[in-house]
Amino acid sequence: ETGVTQSPTHLIKTRGQQVTLRCSSQSGHNTVSWYQQALGQGPQFIFQYYREEENGRGNFPPRFSGLQFPNYSSELNVNALELDDSALYLCASSLQGSRDTQYFGPGTRLTVL
Amino acid sequence: GESVGLHLPTLSVQEGDNSIINCAYSNSASDYFIWYKQESGKGPQFIIDIRSNMDKRQGQRVTVLLNKTVKHLSLQIAATQPGDSAVYFCAEKNAGNMLTFGGGTRLMVKP
Repeated sequence: ETGVTQSPTHLIKTRGQQVTLRCSSQSGHNTVSWYQQALGQGPQFIFQYYREEENGRGNFPPRFSGLQFPNYSSELNVNALELDDSALYLCASSLQGSRDTQYFGPGTRLTVL
Repeated sequence: GESVGLHLPTLSVQEGDNSIINCAYSNSASDYFIWYKQESGKGPQFIIDIRSNMDKRQGQRVTVLLNKTVKHLSLQIAATQPGDSAVYFCAEKNAGNMLTFGGGTRLMVKP
Protein backbone atom coordinates (compact mmCIF):
# COMPACT_ATOMS: atom_id res chain seq x y z
CA GLU A 1 0.00 0.00 0.00
CA THR A 2 1.24 3.47 -0.91
CA GLY A 3 -0.58 5.44 1.79
CA VAL A 4 -2.40 7.48 -0.86
CA THR A 5 -6.14 7.37 -0.33
CA GLN A 6 -8.97 8.47 -2.58
CA SER A 7 -12.69 8.95 -2.09
CA PRO A 8 -15.21 7.95 -3.10
CA THR A 9 -14.35 4.55 -4.56
CA HIS A 10 -17.14 4.64 -7.11
CA LEU A 11 -19.46 7.37 -8.30
CA ILE A 12 -22.33 7.60 -10.78
CA LYS A 13 -23.37 10.95 -12.21
CA THR A 14 -25.50 12.14 -15.08
CA ARG A 15 -24.41 14.30 -17.97
CA GLY A 16 -24.18 18.01 -17.07
CA GLN A 17 -23.65 17.44 -13.36
CA GLN A 18 -20.58 18.41 -11.36
CA VAL A 19 -18.34 16.09 -9.34
CA THR A 20 -15.65 16.47 -6.69
CA LEU A 21 -13.07 13.77 -6.08
CA ARG A 22 -10.72 13.75 -3.10
CA CYS A 23 -7.18 12.57 -2.46
CA SER A 24 -4.98 12.36 0.62
CA SER A 25 -1.29 12.18 -0.15
CA GLN A 26 1.27 9.90 1.41
CA SER A 27 2.77 11.21 4.63
CA GLY A 28 5.64 13.58 3.89
CA HIS A 29 4.64 14.16 0.25
CA ASN A 30 3.94 17.74 -0.83
CA THR A 31 2.90 17.25 -4.45
CA VAL A 32 -0.28 15.75 -5.88
CA SER A 33 -0.88 14.83 -9.52
CA TRP A 34 -4.18 13.78 -11.06
CA TYR A 35 -4.61 11.39 -13.98
CA GLN A 36 -7.56 10.13 -16.00
CA GLN A 37 -7.47 6.50 -17.13
CA ALA A 38 -10.02 5.41 -19.69
CA LEU A 39 -10.80 1.71 -19.89
CA GLY A 40 -8.00 -0.23 -21.57
CA GLN A 41 -5.66 2.76 -21.79
CA GLY A 42 -2.77 4.25 -19.88
CA PRO A 43 -3.30 7.13 -17.45
CA GLN A 44 -3.42 10.64 -18.94
CA PHE A 45 -2.00 13.56 -16.95
CA ILE A 46 -4.59 16.16 -15.94
CA PHE A 47 -2.62 18.50 -13.67
CA GLN A 48 -0.29 18.70 -10.68
CA TYR A 49 -0.45 20.74 -7.49
CA TYR A 50 2.50 21.88 -5.41
CA ARG A 51 2.31 24.31 -2.50
CA GLU A 52 -1.39 24.80 -3.19
CA GLU A 53 -0.83 26.02 -6.75
CA GLU A 54 -1.19 24.34 -10.12
CA ASN A 55 2.27 23.23 -11.25
CA GLY A 56 1.66 21.83 -14.71
CA ARG A 57 -1.38 20.87 -16.74
CA GLY A 58 -2.13 18.35 -19.45
CA ASN A 59 -4.47 18.65 -22.39
CA PHE A 60 -7.73 18.93 -20.44
CA PRO A 61 -10.37 21.69 -20.70
CA PRO A 62 -10.91 24.32 -17.98
CA ARG A 63 -13.95 22.48 -16.64
CA PHE A 64 -11.37 20.22 -14.98
CA SER A 65 -10.08 22.15 -11.98
CA GLY A 66 -8.38 21.35 -8.73
CA LEU A 67 -7.33 22.47 -5.29
CA GLN A 68 -4.58 21.59 -2.87
CA PHE A 69 -4.94 22.25 0.83
CA PRO A 70 -2.29 23.16 3.44
CA ASN A 71 -2.17 19.52 4.57
CA TYR A 72 -1.32 18.61 0.93
CA SER A 73 -4.59 16.81 0.31
CA SER A 74 -6.26 17.65 -2.97
CA GLU A 75 -9.55 17.80 -4.82
CA LEU A 76 -10.37 17.32 -8.49
CA ASN A 77 -13.52 19.06 -9.70
CA VAL A 78 -15.17 18.40 -13.02
CA ASN A 79 -18.04 20.61 -14.20
CA ALA A 80 -20.60 19.97 -16.93
CA LEU A 81 -19.87 16.25 -17.02
CA GLU A 82 -19.81 14.53 -20.40
CA LEU A 83 -20.20 10.84 -21.19
CA ASP A 84 -16.52 10.65 -22.17
CA ASP A 85 -15.54 11.72 -18.66
CA SER A 86 -16.36 8.18 -17.52
CA ALA A 87 -13.01 6.81 -16.38
CA LEU A 88 -10.83 5.86 -13.43
CA TYR A 89 -9.42 9.00 -11.83
CA LEU A 90 -6.07 8.47 -10.20
CA CYS A 91 -4.25 10.61 -7.72
CA ALA A 92 -0.49 10.30 -7.22
CA SER A 93 1.62 11.89 -4.54
CA SER A 94 5.32 12.68 -4.60
CA LEU A 95 7.96 14.76 -2.90
CA GLN A 96 9.00 17.72 -5.03
CA GLY A 97 12.74 18.11 -5.35
CA SER A 98 13.64 14.47 -4.80
CA ARG A 99 13.46 11.68 -7.37
CA ASP A 100 9.81 12.75 -7.69
CA THR A 101 8.64 9.15 -7.89
CA GLN A 102 4.86 9.29 -7.99
CA TYR A 103 2.90 6.84 -5.88
CA PHE A 104 -0.68 6.20 -6.88
CA GLY A 105 -3.87 5.75 -4.93
CA PRO A 106 -6.51 3.15 -5.80
CA GLY A 107 -8.53 5.58 -7.92
CA THR A 108 -12.14 6.70 -8.13
CA ARG A 109 -14.28 5.04 -10.79
CA LEU A 110 -16.58 7.69 -12.29
CA THR A 111 -19.48 6.67 -14.50
CA VAL A 112 -21.39 9.36 -16.36
CA LEU A 113 -24.81 8.34 -17.67
CA GLY B 1 5.51 14.91 -30.11
CA GLU B 2 6.05 13.03 -26.90
CA SER B 3 4.87 9.45 -26.87
CA VAL B 4 5.61 6.29 -25.02
CA GLY B 5 4.46 3.05 -26.58
CA LEU B 6 4.74 -0.66 -26.10
CA HIS B 7 5.46 -3.29 -28.74
CA LEU B 8 3.31 -6.13 -27.38
CA PRO B 9 -0.16 -5.62 -25.97
CA THR B 10 -0.33 -9.12 -24.42
CA LEU B 11 2.45 -11.37 -23.20
CA SER B 12 1.78 -14.92 -22.03
CA VAL B 13 4.53 -16.77 -20.15
CA GLN B 14 4.88 -20.00 -18.24
CA GLU B 15 5.27 -19.80 -14.49
CA GLY B 16 8.95 -19.85 -13.62
CA ASP B 17 10.09 -18.44 -16.96
CA ASN B 18 11.56 -14.98 -17.39
CA SER B 19 9.41 -12.19 -18.85
CA ILE B 20 10.54 -9.27 -20.95
CA ILE B 21 8.24 -6.31 -21.56
CA ASN B 22 9.36 -3.69 -24.05
CA CYS B 23 8.65 -0.01 -24.48
CA ALA B 24 9.66 2.62 -27.02
CA TYR B 25 9.78 6.32 -26.30
CA SER B 26 10.12 9.26 -28.66
CA ASN B 27 11.17 12.18 -26.46
CA SER B 28 14.96 12.08 -26.42
CA ALA B 29 14.95 14.82 -23.77
CA SER B 30 13.24 12.58 -21.19
CA ASP B 31 15.57 11.89 -18.30
CA TYR B 32 13.55 9.64 -16.03
CA PHE B 33 11.63 6.45 -16.75
CA ILE B 34 9.40 4.36 -14.56
CA TRP B 35 7.70 0.97 -14.75
CA TYR B 36 4.33 0.52 -13.06
CA LYS B 37 2.26 -2.60 -12.47
CA GLN B 38 -1.52 -2.30 -12.39
CA GLU B 39 -3.73 -5.10 -11.14
CA SER B 40 -7.41 -5.16 -11.86
CA GLY B 41 -9.33 -2.59 -9.82
CA LYS B 42 -6.19 -1.00 -8.37
CA GLY B 43 -4.02 2.00 -9.04
CA PRO B 44 -0.60 1.66 -10.71
CA GLN B 45 2.07 0.30 -8.38
CA PHE B 46 5.66 1.53 -8.69
CA ILE B 47 8.07 -1.25 -9.65
CA ILE B 48 11.36 0.31 -10.62
CA ASP B 49 12.76 3.47 -12.17
CA ILE B 50 15.87 4.52 -14.04
CA ARG B 51 17.49 7.83 -14.91
CA SER B 52 18.88 8.56 -18.33
CA ASN B 53 22.48 8.54 -17.07
CA MET B 54 22.15 4.80 -16.40
CA ASP B 55 21.59 1.89 -18.76
CA LYS B 56 20.63 -0.79 -16.25
CA ARG B 57 19.06 -0.96 -12.81
CA GLN B 58 18.17 -4.03 -10.80
CA GLY B 59 15.59 -4.60 -8.13
CA GLN B 60 14.15 -7.67 -6.52
CA ARG B 61 13.49 -10.08 -9.44
CA VAL B 62 13.18 -7.11 -11.82
CA THR B 63 15.67 -5.38 -14.07
CA VAL B 64 15.14 -2.31 -16.21
CA LEU B 65 17.31 -1.69 -19.25
CA LEU B 66 17.54 1.63 -21.03
CA ASN B 67 18.96 2.03 -24.53
CA LYS B 68 19.04 5.73 -25.32
CA THR B 69 20.50 5.17 -28.78
CA VAL B 70 17.30 3.55 -30.01
CA LYS B 71 15.06 5.05 -27.35
CA HIS B 72 14.03 1.70 -25.94
CA LEU B 73 13.16 0.61 -22.41
CA SER B 74 12.57 -2.91 -21.17
CA LEU B 75 11.44 -4.59 -17.97
CA GLN B 76 12.74 -8.04 -17.20
CA ILE B 77 11.01 -10.16 -14.57
CA ALA B 78 12.90 -13.22 -13.40
CA ALA B 79 11.10 -16.45 -12.45
CA THR B 80 7.67 -15.06 -13.26
CA GLN B 81 4.99 -15.94 -10.73
CA PRO B 82 1.18 -15.97 -10.96
CA GLY B 83 1.13 -12.83 -8.79
CA ASP B 84 2.99 -11.01 -11.56
CA SER B 85 -0.09 -11.21 -13.79
CA ALA B 86 -1.14 -7.62 -14.40
CA VAL B 87 -0.92 -4.77 -16.89
CA TYR B 88 2.51 -3.16 -17.03
CA PHE B 89 3.04 0.46 -18.04
CA CYS B 90 6.20 2.31 -18.83
CA ALA B 91 6.15 6.05 -18.24
CA GLU B 92 8.52 8.90 -18.95
CA LYS B 93 8.85 12.08 -16.99
CA ASN B 94 9.56 15.41 -18.62
CA ALA B 95 10.74 18.72 -17.22
CA GLY B 96 7.14 19.71 -16.59
CA ASN B 97 6.74 17.02 -13.94
CA MET B 98 4.06 15.13 -15.83
CA LEU B 99 4.26 11.42 -16.49
CA THR B 100 3.50 10.24 -20.02
CA PHE B 101 2.28 6.65 -20.03
CA GLY B 102 2.23 4.09 -22.77
CA GLY B 103 -0.82 1.98 -23.55
CA GLY B 104 0.22 -0.96 -21.38
CA THR B 105 1.12 -4.63 -21.82
CA ARG B 106 -0.94 -7.35 -20.22
CA LEU B 107 1.21 -10.09 -18.70
CA MET B 108 -0.51 -13.46 -18.27
CA VAL B 109 1.29 -16.15 -16.30
CA LYS B 110 0.29 -19.74 -17.05
CA PRO B 111 0.57 -22.22 -14.18
